[in-house]
Amino acid sequence: DAGITQSPRYKITETGRQVTLMCHQTWSHSYMFWYRQDLGHGLRLIYYSAAADITDKGEVPDGYVVSRSKTENFPLTLESATRSQTSVYFCASSGSGGSGTQYFGPGTRLTVL
Amino acid sequence: DAKTTQPNSMESNEEEPVHLPCNHSTISGTDYIHWYRQLPSQGPEYVIHGLTSNVNNRMASLAIAEDRKSSTLILHRATLRDAAVYYCILRENRGYGNKLVFGAGTILRVKS
Repeated sequence: DAGITQSPRYKITETGRQVTLMCHQTWSHSYMFWYRQDLGHGLRLIYYSAAADITDKGEVPDGYVVSRSKTENFPLTLESATRSQTSVYFCASSGSGGSGTQYFGPGTRLTVL
Repeated sequence: DAKTTQPNSMESNEEEPVHLPCNHSTISGTDYIHWYRQLPSQGPEYVIHGLTSNVNNRMASLAIAEDRKSSTLILHRATLRDAAVYYCILRENRGYGNKLVFGAGTILRVKS
């Protein structure tokens, strides 16, 4: 199906483990984004990418790693998960021109025990 | 990043129009005004955007002040499904990034 998907939708892990959240979009959008949403903080940008092999830090990048070898995929890795990374993670994509409208995935709820 | 100011919450009756205000006094000439909403347990959803002129689409209307320092999102007939957090965001058109900076938004409650 066309659109933007995230997997898994729910994940429980333990402190210190590596976790990778997947994001896939079918529109061939140039830009992709990762946000986290916590109660009391709203949505905060973690990393974004302007194209394959081009990534840049957002507001809260510490503890996260991203890669973008293909335009349609933008995985987010927590190399050593911490309890403070318990959150809901949203991926988004947008085209390269015009108004920059972003289209969001359904989110991944991550719990770090 | 340019900032926006929105009321924390608003309440509306079902089937009545809703006007959600947003102030953005530091907007620059090339910044787009975007509105998104987030329904409970869902990702943000694009609603509408504009640059200078008022805009209409199937979801809502966007009224932009002449000096562009404020805007209003208009839902013409609120339904219970419109209960959500509404975010007014300035999309800066400088450099690359297409970044959006989300604030706290306005919680819209719709009463039946």
